[in-house]
Amino acid sequence: NAGVMQNPRHLVRRRGQEARLRCSPMKGHSHVYWYRQLPEEGLKFMVYLQKENIIDESGMPKERFSAEFPKEGPSILRIQQVVRGDSAAYFCASFTSGRAPVLQETQYFGPGTRLLVL
Amino acid sequence: QKEVEQDPGPLSVPEGAIVSLNCTYSNSAFQYFMWYRQYSRKGPELLMYTYSSGNKEDGRFTAQVDKSSKYISLFIRDSQPSDSATYLCAFSSSPNTGNQFYFGTGTSLTVIP
Repeated sequence: NAGVMQNPRHLVRRRGQEARLRCSPMKGHSHVYWYRQLPEEGLKFMVYLQKENIIDESGMPKERFSAEFPKEGPSILRIQQVVRGDSAAYFCASFTSGRAPVLQETQYFGPGTRLLVL
Repeated sequence: QKEVEQDPGPLSVPEGAIVSLNCTYSNSAFQYFMWYRQYSRKGPELLMYTYSSGNKEDGRFTAQVDKSSKYISLFIRDSQPSDSATYLCAFSSSPNTGNQFYFGTGTSLTVIP
C-alpha cells in the first residue's frame, strides 16, 4: 500500500449530506480505479480514470455519484445526498500502464476511506 | 451465474498447517489471475499473480490456475499467525489496458499459534 494516499480515513455523514473522498496515487501513476467494499460482498468496481478523463464508469450508480481525476491534485469520488446504504469502505488503486511481467509493480491499493452514514 | 465465486470461510487452522484457498470463475476471457491479501482495516495488497495457466511459487505461497475447470487455488505452506487475513482472488482479461478487475468476496483465514 506504500505511496497511495486516501483521505479521510474515516468519514461520518448524516443522510442528505455530501461526501468527498480523495485519492492521491503513487508518484508517476496516471491511472486510478475506485472500488467499494461492503461486508460479505467483496470489492466492487466503480470507476476507472486517467488524468482528466473518465475511461469506464460502468460500475458507478447513475445518480448522486461522480468522480474526477484532474490534471493537478488528487482523484475525488463525490457522493451527493448520502443515504445509509452508501456506508462502506471505498478504496482506490493506482497503477501505471505496462506489460507483463511488470504487472506486479503496477497496481497498489490505498488504505481506504470508511464512510458511515447516520 | 456470478463471475467469481469464493468461499467466505471463515477458515481456522493451527500454525504450521497447509492452507488451501480456492475460487471459481465463469468468464473464459480472464487471462490474469491474482491473489490479494487484506489485513483488517487495511487496503488489499497484491500477493501473487499468474498469467494464463499453470503454477507459480513464491516462498511459502503457491498459486495454481486450471483454466479448463475455471478454478484457481492459493496454497500456503507452514502457515504462520501473521498469515491471518482475508484473501481475495481477482481476475482480469487484460489489466494493463485498464479493463476491470473482478474480485471474489474474500476468504477469512485465522492461523492459531
